[in-house]
Amino acid sequence: DIVLTQTPLSLSVTPGQPASISCKSSQSLLHSDGKTYLFWYLQKPGQSPQLLIYELSNRFSGVPDRFSGSGSGTDFTLKISRVEAEDVGVYYCMQSIQLPVTFGPGTKVDIK
Amino acid sequence: QITLKESGPTLVKPTQTLTLTCTFSGFSVSTSGVGVGWIRQPPGKALEWLALIYWNDDKYYSPSLRSRLTITKDTSKNHVVLTMTNMDPVDTATYYCARKLYSTSSRRFDYWGQGTLVTVSS
Repeated sequence: DIVLTQTPLSLSVTPGQPASISCKSSQSLLHSDGKTYLFWYLQKPGQSPQLLIYELSNRFSGVPDRFSGSGSGTDFTLKISRVEAEDVGVYYCMQSIQLPVTFGPGTKVDIK
Repeated sequence: QITLKESGPTLVKPTQTLTLTCTFSGFSVSTSGVGVGWIRQPPGKALEWLALIYWNDDKYYSPSLRSRLTITKDTSKNHVVLTMTNMDPVDTATYYCARKLYSTSSRRFDYWGQGTLVTVSS
């Protein structure tokens, strides 16, 4: 199974400041089709996960442009350019290049 | 508008079989490249993928739970059903279903249901 590790596991951010979350994979997530099958989800308190970023760097419909995904191979980053109060919750990275689909342990983000 | 909703028992006894239904709208699981998956989340813990079924009836299971899981679809009713046998208290979790794409455009879980909390206790 592909193991995803996230750092930090918790993050406290001042509104308006940037934030960054790292996700590292035990194997490359670059497929022969040229796509990187790394995804980012946000689970707000009491809600189901919502897709933020798909295939490394594509923002899903309705996701604000303050969210961006980057990286390559086995190292990935989710960046929030200016954190807002509504961004609190747990952020998960996920891979689907290989079954079983696996998730990272999550990074809890709250507001200072 | 795409929506999914999970339904099933909120409480099951150890050794019983759990049956969960995902009822969806706004898409069809008979469309090429479309599937539905199940993911669970024990209280306070991370997400765990369980099973997937695709438009062509291909089915995939978590290796650690394969012997206990069965996933089926009813295209006419827009339902996907997950059964899990021999339930144990460690299976207590919120169970989510989500649409899964498998196409040249994407392989994402994009839309998720609200989840249903299943407690396993005698």
